[in-house]
Amino acid sequence: QLQLQESGPGLVKPSETLSLTCTVSGGSISSSSYYWGWIRQPPGKGLEWIGNIYYSGGTYYNPSLKSRVTISVDTSKNQFSLEVSSVIAADTAVYYCARWYTSGWYVDYWGQGTLVTASS
Amino acid sequence: QSALTQPASVSGSPGQSITISCTGTSSDVGSYNLVSWYQQHPGKAPKLLIYEGSKRPSGVSNRFSGSKSGNTASLTISGLQAEDEADYYCCSYAGSSTWVFGGGTKLTVL
Repeated sequence: QLQLQESGPGLVKPSETLSLTCTVSGGSISSSSYYWGWIRQPPGKGLEWIGNIYYSGGTYYNPSLKSRVTISVDTSKNQFSLEVSSVIAADTAVYYCARWYTSGWYVDYWGQGTLVTASS
Repeated sequence: QSALTQPASVSGSPGQSITISCTGTSSDVGSYNLVSWYQQHPGKAPKLLIYEGSKRPSGVSNRFSGSKSGNTASLTISGLQAEDEADYYCCSYAGSSTWVFGGGTKLTVL
């Protein structure tokens, strides 16, 4: 059974960089049928798509976040990562990593989510 | 890129049917048959209910159904059960390799 697990600091200071890693187990990140991505949810609010990456490194980003976001992949470790630079309070959210099935473009697997708080 | 519009809340009694709307534009919902729906219980990750507008993954109850008309997609839940009480989100491809979610709808089973 495929599993995705987010890891990284739960507290980030404003103006610094948020860094998270998603480890994929039970399947290969190098499958041609899927993209891998990040979605976030501020406390008490809705979901926001951040961006996706293919195993070969191709990326898609939310235009509203593109200037501050970088998603990368490490196929040797079956992991992909998220960096959000110049963090502000509004970046406080539960961050989910997810698998997107390209035939239909939907998320079929989600990580459990990890809360990241932007505060000094 | 604006969030898709969903009602903030809907409610229904056990056994009844309810419909949640998801309104976008001709640039997203109206242009592509790539709307998905997710159910989220408190403190949990979302779960896929519907993809490509009306298709159900294996294991999802046939009480959940999806449809689309113009720029509006809809999720219908029939035979409401207490366990259906949750938040529901729609998501659509928005062109140029971007995706957009709805603001979410809280379903209360009375």
